[in-house]
Amino acid sequence: SQTIHQWPATLVQPVGSPLSLECTVEGTSNPNLYWYRQAAGRGLQLLFYSVGIGQISSEVPQNLSASRPQDRQFILSSKKLLLSDSGFYLCAWRSSQAFFGQGTRLTVV
Amino acid sequence: AQSVTQPDIHITVSEGASLELRCNYSYGATPYLFWYVQSPGQGLQLLLKYFSGDTLVQGIKGFEAEFKRSQSSFNLRKPSVHWSDAAEYFCAVGASRDDKIIFGKGTRLHILP
Repeated sequence: SQTIHQWPATLVQPVGSPLSLECTVEGTSNPNLYWYRQAAGRGLQLLFYSVGIGQISSEVPQNLSASRPQDRQFILSSKKLLLSDSGFYLCAWRSSQAFFGQGTRLTVV
Repeated sequence: AQSVTQPDIHITVSEGASLELRCNYSYGATPYLFWYVQSPGQGLQLLLKYFSGDTLVQGIKGFEAEFKRSQSSFNLRKPSVHWSDAAEYFCAVGASRDDKIIFGKGTRLHILP
């Protein structure tokens, strides 16, 4: 069966520090992969999606970037975190429906 | 581009009462529609989905939703809620089986004992 791993579960980072969140999928090949951010009162905002290795589409301009170095690996990064980057980050992959990881709670202080 | 509106940010119902959560979507063709539930601090779990066929869709945990093309709606219903149904509910739309899924802002459901 397919599973999705996302880590770390929680992260506290100072403003201006770099960020790297990793997501990996098992049990499927060539999945469509997604990064969402959930902020209070704003629902789930789609940040990036990828249909293949090296293919990244950005949905909103921001301080973050994404990369897909391997078929089942999706990384969310930032060179310098802002306070506004705080939130709950969810990785997902999709076949007919979207399957979500357990999320990373990022607090920028 | 597709979009989703969930007009109710919070809804409070008594345990045992019926529930309806509203969802309106915007998309030019027949959409792929979803309802997800999120418990505090957790990821999202799929309740049900609609791709085609019967417009009344049955899901897990006793939930159902009805697709109404004329109203661009996909409302979620449950005949009798349980305290364990307290959570946040998200409606979502996709343009195809493989396309990105866009979510609404969510409705937080509170249950009174």
